[in-house]
Amino acid sequence: EADIYQTPRYLVIGTGKKITLECSQTMGHDKMYWYQQDPGMELHLIHYSYGVNSTEKGDLSSESTVSRIRTEHFPLTLESARPSHTSQYLCASSVGEETQYFGPGTRLLVL
Amino acid sequence: QKEVEQDPGPLSVPEGAIVSLNCTYSNSAFQYFMWYRQYSRKGPELLMYTYSSGNKEDGRFTAQVDKSSKYISLFIRDSQPSDSATYLCAMSPNAGGTSYGKLTFGQGTILTVHP
Repeated sequence: EADIYQTPRYLVIGTGKKITLECSQTMGHDKMYWYQQDPGMELHLIHYSYGVNSTEKGDLSSESTVSRIRTEHFPLTLESARPSHTSQYLCASSVGEETQYFGPGTRLLVL
Repeated sequence: QKEVEQDPGPLSVPEGAIVSLNCTYSNSAFQYFMWYRQYSRKGPELLMYTYSSGNKEDGRFTAQVDKSSKYISLFIRDSQPSDSATYLCAMSPNAGGTSYGKLTFGQGTILTVHP
C-alpha cells in the first residue's frame, strides 16, 4: 500500500481565503504531482516536481502554486480561493515513469 | 480532440460477468499504459501496468495493448460487487523529452457489478 498522505480530506472555505493543501509521502520518491479532478472528468495535471527545488506547471492552467523544499513534502497553495477552485485535488508520487501512487485526495468547496 | 478517449459508461453488469473496458489514443509516442481503479471518495490505485504492446494477466484482470490500432483494453473475469468503481486508463510517452513521466488519463468508466 502506498504511503502518501493528504490533509485536509475535506475543506469548505469562503471566497478570498488563503488555503494550503498538504501532501506528504514516506517512500522517498523524487517525483511528485498534483492533479485536479472534477466529477465525471479525467484527471488534469496542474503541477509536478522532479525533485527538491524543482517545480513545473502542468497541462491545466491553475492559479495555485507549489513548493518542494523537502523530498517528502509537496504543498499546494491558493492565495485567494474562488468558487471556480471547487474540485478534488489529488497528490501523487513516483520513482519511475509508470507507477504513480496517489493519495486519498482533498475535496475543496469554496463558497 | 482528446489524446485519450474512454467511454464513461456507466456500465452495469451482473456478478460473474466478463467486463471489457477500453481506451483509444492518438499520440503514437505513448509507450507505457496503465489501468487505475478509483473507489468513490478515494484516490486512484494502480491495477495494471504494461509497456508497449502485448498482454498482461494478474488474477482476474487482463490488460491488452494494441499499438497498431492505438487501442488498450482491460478485461475483468468473474466480476464481483467489490469491483464496482471507476476505472481509469492512463498513458505515458517514452523516456526523454518534456513529457517524460507525465500521465495522460482517460475520463474513466463507471462500473457497477450487481449481485
